Amino acid sequence: ELKVEQNPLFLSMQEGKNYTIYCNYSTTSDRLYWYRQDPGKSLESLFVLLSNGAVKQEGRLMASLDTKARLSTLHITAAVHDLSATYFCAVHRETSGSRLTFGEGTQLTVNP
Amino acid sequence: NAGVTQTPKFQVLKTGQSMTLQCAQDMNHNSMYWYRQDPGMGLRLIYYSASEGTTDKGEVPNGYNVSRLNKREFSLRLESAAPSQTSVYFCASKRVVYTGELFFGEGSRLTVL
Repeated sequence: ELKVEQNPLFLSMQEGKNYTIYCNYSTTSDRLYWYRQDPGKSLESLFVLLSNGAVKQEGRLMASLDTKARLSTLHITAAVHDLSATYFCAVHRETSGSRLTFGEGTQLTVNP
Repeated sequence: NAGVTQTPKFQVLKTGQSMTLQCAQDMNHNSMYWYRQDPGMGLRLIYYSASEGTTDKGEVPNGYNVSRLNKREFSLRLESAAPSQTSVYFCASKRVVYTGELFFGEGSRLTVL
């Protein structure tokens, strides 16, 4: 059974600071996704990571994938209040067909 | 573009009542999914449909049934609602192309009393 663990689950940080969210998964995967969810809203796709060593950046967020370590990171640079949200990673395995397995989510609060 | 549309957005049921959550997508996606979201548990897959005419169980299928009515529509039915089914339900559909990312509806917030 594929398990996906994120840490930390809760993160409170000041504007301007840097931090990293970690996503570990238990079996080999061919694709990893990061999503953002604002309170009371739906999930929005942020990044799709398709291969070992993949790195994607959008604004103050950068995601990377290490398939050998079964680890993805979401790095936040110089955080701003608008980044406050819950971030989910999700893992796809070829043998699971069309399914994605989600982590528990990291609730990020950026304080002024 | 409507994307993925879910109805209703809010519903309150009494224990034992039945209801159907409707989902429709206009992106010509083959695969559709129903997830539930509970605090501290992320999203858990209830059922999915890899293509029109097929459905499969996910992690937490007990107490639910689904129907893939056609390529656009995928409904989730609670035959006899229980308080443990109080949750936010998300429908999603998936691109056919290689990236395989999911596109989510706005969610349906269900309370069972």
